[in-house]
Amino acid sequence: QVQMQESGPGLVKPSGTLSLTCAVSGDSISSSVFWSWVRQSPGKGLEWIGGIYHSASANYNPSLQGRVTISVDKSNNQFSLKVTSVTVADTAIYYCARLGSVLEEVDSTKFYYYGMNAWGPGTTVTVSS
Amino acid sequence: EIVMTQSPATLSVSPGERATLSCRASQNINRNLAWYQQRPGQAPRVLMFGASIRAPGVPDRFSGSGSGTEFTLTINSLQSEDFAIYYCQQYINWPPLVTFGPGTKVEI
Repeated sequence: QVQMQESGPGLVKPSGTLSLTCAVSGDSISSSVFWSWVRQSPGKGLEWIGGIYHSASANYNPSLQGRVTISVDKSNNQFSLKVTSVTVADTAIYYCARLGSVLEEVDSTKFYYYGMNAWGPGTTVTVSS
Repeated sequence: EIVMTQSPATLSVSPGERATLSCRASQNINRNLAWYQQRPGQAPRVLMFGASIRAPGVPDRFSGSGSGTEFTLTINSLQSEDFAIYYCQQYINWPPLVTFGPGTKVEI
């Protein structure tokens, strides 16, 4: 069973950098899954931030591109998020998640479908002076 | 950019009844759609992969359908633990670009 746990400062000053880490157990950070970050502003819905695959191929929400970097630490089996130039709008619960797949075979053709099948409990980050 | 919409925003249902939730994509996403349930104070939990494949451990009162741009999540015989917010989520390309819908709150 995959377990994930976010960690990092709960308070960040405006214009500063938000840095979080997600420790993964029960799976290798080098496996063929897409390790993701998702956030949820108070009382709002889910917003995908970005993710990384095979420790190198990353993709980010276009609305956050330029401020976000996701990286992998293979030696500690964890991945990290950095968001620069934060404002109060970045105040949210931050979740790390594993975008894994299920296989469906139809007429000998294999289809892989993806969903976030493991989540950390989330960590609250407040941007305030 | 693919935009996801969900309707209704809030669905009021009595225990034991059926809930039907809709999700629409702004362009064809085939079956690249997942559904999630989020209870208050908890992380989301995946319910469906590929629009209609139940995730392990999900009760069979949950079913999903659709492909292309129109998708439905049906919850039969609602139980008390089913009152929550439900999100659809699409992905395209690889590495993927992911988008969540705004959510549907299922309330008593």
